[in-house]
Amino acid sequence: AQSVTQLDSHVSVSEGTPVLLRCNYSSSYSPSLFWYVQHPNKGLQLLLKYTSAATLVKGINGFEAEFKKSETSFHLTKPSAHMSDAAEYFCVVSGTGNQFYFGTGTSLTVIP
Amino acid sequence: NAGVMQNPRHLVRRRGQEARLRCSPMKGHSHVYWYRQLPEEGLKFMVYLQKENIIDESGMPKERFSAEFPKEGPSILRIQQVVRGDSAAYFCASSPDGTSGRGPFFGPGTRLTVL
Repeated sequence: AQSVTQLDSHVSVSEGTPVLLRCNYSSSYSPSLFWYVQHPNKGLQLLLKYTSAATLVKGINGFEAEFKKSETSFHLTKPSAHMSDAAEYFCVVSGTGNQFYFGTGTSLTVIP
Repeated sequence: NAGVMQNPRHLVRRRGQEARLRCSPMKGHSHVYWYRQLPEEGLKFMVYLQKENIIDESGMPKERFSAEFPKEGPSILRIQQVVRGDSAAYFCASSPDGTSGRGPFFGPGTRLTVL
């Protein structure tokens, strides 16, 4: 079975400091993993995805994530937070039958 | 190639009315997913459809909710006799045939408010 755990429901960082949003997954086989971002009153946008190629994945807006099989993690990082990064972030794992499993989301606040 | 389209973007209904939410997948996509996002909660899977078939409806409430994806036209999520607890954002997503490594691609969502 597949599942996703986002370890922090809320993260606050100061503008210009690094961002770390944590995601752990469980999967009975090699999964595909995704990060989505949702800005207030907006739809979901794909940030990046891992599909068994390079373990370090670069996405849009300076975000990247590293797939660590030994730790079953897919944490999202960004070297320097910007005010526009304030949003809700969802980690997603694909499952059998073309099913997708979402984490409960991490709300990122960026303090000026 | 237009993205996933959902309409209406905002829908207001009174208790007991019906709500119909429409989703047009990306061109060439025949897999459609519906998710619900309740306030203060994450996205929850509702139903997964392919053209004319419901593949997985394990996340659908047993009563009042139904979904279809006809051969022609958009996918429809229908909520009968809405209650205040149905107020949420409903997202549709689509993906290409049988490739779980691509997507899903999400629509902008429909925000349902039940008065």
